[in-house]
Amino acid sequence: DVKVTQSSRYLVKRTGEKVFLECVQDMDHENMFWYRQDPGLGLRLIYFSYDVKMKEKGDIPEGYSVSREKKERFSLILESASTNQTSMYLCASSLFAGKSNQPQHFGDGTRLSIL
Amino acid sequence: KQEVTQIPAALSVPEGENLVLNCSFTDSAIYNLQWFRQDPGKGLTSLLLIQSSQREQTSGRLNASLDKSSGRSTLYIAASQPGDSATYLCAVRVTSGTYKYIFGTGTRLKVLA
Repeated sequence: DVKVTQSSRYLVKRTGEKVFLECVQDMDHENMFWYRQDPGLGLRLIYFSYDVKMKEKGDIPEGYSVSREKKERFSLILESASTNQTSMYLCASSLFAGKSNQPQHFGDGTRLSIL
Repeated sequence: KQEVTQIPAALSVPEGENLVLNCSFTDSAIYNLQWFRQDPGKGLTSLLLIQSSQREQTSGRLNASLDKSSGRSTLYIAASQPGDSATYLCAVRVTSGTYKYIFGTGTRLKVLA
């Protein structure tokens, strides 16, 4: 079974701090994704990566950056945390298959609170 | 712009009922549609993926159908159980751009014992 592991289930940080959220997958997947999930808004894509050192912006990249130095690890960085970044953050991965269809697999999420 | 809608937002049914969850999308240009389950405070678990060329997929008591022309998918759950209680989300992978998925906001299902 695919395992996507997010380093923290709960995290509390202060405004202005630099925050790192880590995600590791064990199935050699090319694609990795970061989403945030907010009540009434559903899941929104922040960034995704289709290869090591490759990334593309999603719908809401402002205030975030990402790093993918190794295939199995995808990090989300909040450069200067703000209260409106309080949310549930979900990491996902999928196998690259061109335009064909591979399911996304999700981690358990990190509930981040910015005070 | 693709929009995905799930109605109703919440649903309560007695145990044993067969039920249907709905997912609508506005643009039929999709690669696939995926159904997920989310338990409270947890991530998403993939249930079924339907390719754009397929009409339905089945896994155990779950059956998902896809009608691209009408922009609709349904998730059918047979003989519901209390353990099926969760939020069910659908997501479409759009053909424009790469690897972009648009999610609905989900249907929160409660199966009463």
